Amino acid sequence: RKEVEQDPGPFNVPEGATVAFNCTYSNSASQSFFWYRQDCRKEPKLLMSVYSSGNEDGRFTAQLNRASQYISLLIRDSKLSDSATYLCVVNIISSGSARQLTFGSGTQLTVLP
Amino acid sequence: DTEVTQTPKHLVMGMTNKKSLKCEQHMGHRAMYWYKQKAKKPPELMFVYSYEKLSINESVPSRFSPECPNSSLLNLHLHALQPEDSALYLCASSQSAQGASSDTQYFGPGTRLTVL
Repeated sequence: RKEVEQDPGPFNVPEGATVAFNCTYSNSASQSFFWYRQDCRKEPKLLMSVYSSGNEDGRFTAQLNRASQYISLLIRDSKLSDSATYLCVVNIISSGSARQLTFGSGTQLTVLP
Repeated sequence: DTEVTQTPKHLVMGMTNKKSLKCEQHMGHRAMYWYKQKAKKPPELMFVYSYEKLSINESVPSRFSPECPNSSLLNLHLHALQPEDSALYLCASSQSAQGASSDTQYFGPGTRLTVL
């Protein structure tokens, strides 16, 4: 089983649609969670950190359910510029107390005019 | 300023060449990372430096040799690479390697490497 699993996608949605991405993680000791977006042939960029109480940034809402080990990202009123690959990222314990980020395989979103 | 810079942007090398990738950050971050990313795949961690010491080596072949000359710089020395090593090499940095929410990793634009 992969340590971080995401919706396989791709998602093709019309402009203005609401789209939700889901992600599950296997290591219950994980402590911090992030959504990154990556445009084609560019580096990943932090979209938002995900907090236990849930958090919102404009049209983006992230939720974390520690009991179910589940993370979600909701995008409202999709824009063409939201087209990208969305990466669910979790920190896990590597060796000793060292932690490292583990990336999900990413979900590709295309917003259509 | 949340900028991580990488040079070169593109690199083409033969299997017998020796080359180096460079990464720099001036955010005062004490953890720096090298990742390898193949097309349509997520980044894969290669190395982690914490306070200029190598703390994680993800079983990377010895033809990749990292170096951290100081807290702002990270190099990746390449020697005798194989064509399958062609990929986007990403550098990242964070405040520390402890994994807290504040330890957001910021990525550089990457070096696109082609090995002939």
